[in-house]
Order: sequence, then structure tokens, then C-alpha cells
Amino acid sequence: QVQLQDSGPGLVKPSETLSVTCTVSGGSISDNYWTWIRQPPGKGLEWIGYIYSSGTTNYNPSLKSRATMSVDMSKNQFSLKLTSVTAADTAVYYCARLIGSGWWSFDYWGQGTLVTVS
Amino acid sequence: DIQMTQSPSSLSASVGDRVTITCRASQSTNNYLNWYQQKPGKAPKLLIYAASSLQSGVPSRFSGSGSGTDFTLSISSLQPEDFATYYCQQSYTSPYTFGQGTNLQIK
Repeated sequence: QVQLQDSGPGLVKPSETLSVTCTVSGGSISDNYWTWIRQPPGKGLEWIGYIYSSGTTNYNPSLKSRATMSVDMSKNQFSLKLTSVTAADTAVYYCARLIGSGWWSFDYWGQGTLVTVS
Repeated sequence: DIQMTQSPSSLSASVGDRVTITCRASQSTNNYLNWYQQKPGKAPKLLIYAASSLQSGVPSRFSGSGSGTDFTLSISSLQPEDFATYYCQQSYTSPYTFGQGTNLQIK
């Protein structure tokens, strides 16, 4: 059973860089797509982007090139950095696996980590 | 971007009721349409993928249907644990987008 554990700083100052990490257990990070999704308090879900284990990425243009994802195979982890944050980036950040096999869906999720920009 | 619109935004129902939630896409998603359930303080949970395929471990009272731009999620007999927020999501084209959510409440 794949499990994801996301972690983050909790509080980030405006204009600084937000960093969150997801640790994958119960399975390998290899040969999979991994994604970040966020949810502002009381609001809906926004897809941020995905990274394949090889390093290939695809980001939501709404983030205006502020997002960068990376993979650390040795630690079975993947990470998100979001630069120049504002209060609008305050959200619960979820990591998830993007499963393919012809149909794409987010089948395993981390518990979410709240990041407040203030 | 493909815009996803769910209706209704909120819904009150009783245990044992059958409920249907609708999701409409601004253009065809070629059945790359998923449904998720989210309970307060928890991560979303995948219920249905590819418009009508039941995710492993999800009770059979959940079902999905539709094609092209119009999709529905049905729950045949509501159980107490089904009261939650439901989201549709298209994975046909990037950026992947979600509906605004439907809050299913106990009547």
C-alpha cells in the first residue's frame, strides 16, 4: 500500500519561497508521476503540476513559472518550491500520485500540509 | 483551460436517499473524468475514474456515467459516511481542472 507523507514549514513570509516535500513509502518513486494540488482554506482544489520520476515536469500556467518540482530518488521523495509567495498562496498543499494506465487520476494522496503566507 | 461546473453546489438529503451530482465541462474531456470525495480536514479520495470505472475498494452504491461534456455521479442509497464534498476533475488536457465542489449535507 503506497503512502504519502507531506511536510512543510507552516509559515512563510510574503515574497519568500515556499518549500514542501512528500515522502513516498510502500512503493518506489520510480516509473510514476507525482503531483501537487493545493486548496485554499474553505475553497476548491487547484492542480499545481506533476513530475515524472525521470524529472520531466508539467506545470499549471496559472502559477506563472513560480513553481519548480524535483525528485530525490535516493530518499524516495519529491518536492515543490514556489517562489515570490503572497497571501493568495496560503493553502493546504497535497501531494498525490498521478496514475496513468491510459486514464489519469490521483489515486494516493498525502494528508496535506497547511502553509500560511504572512 | 477546460472549465468544470458542478451542480448543485450544495445538496441536502437523508440516509437511504438516491442522489445525483452533475458535472459539465466547457469542452469534451473524452471521458477523462474523475470523481473525488473529501471529508473535512482530510485529503480527497478517488471514487470514480474514466467517467464510470469504480476505484478499487469503493462501495458499489457509487456510480458514474456520462460522456463528452456531461457527467453524473450517483449514490444509490446514502449512508451516514457519504456526507461530504464531491469534486469532479478532468484529466484530458493540461492544466487538469476541478469542479467547484458539491457539499452533500444531511437533511
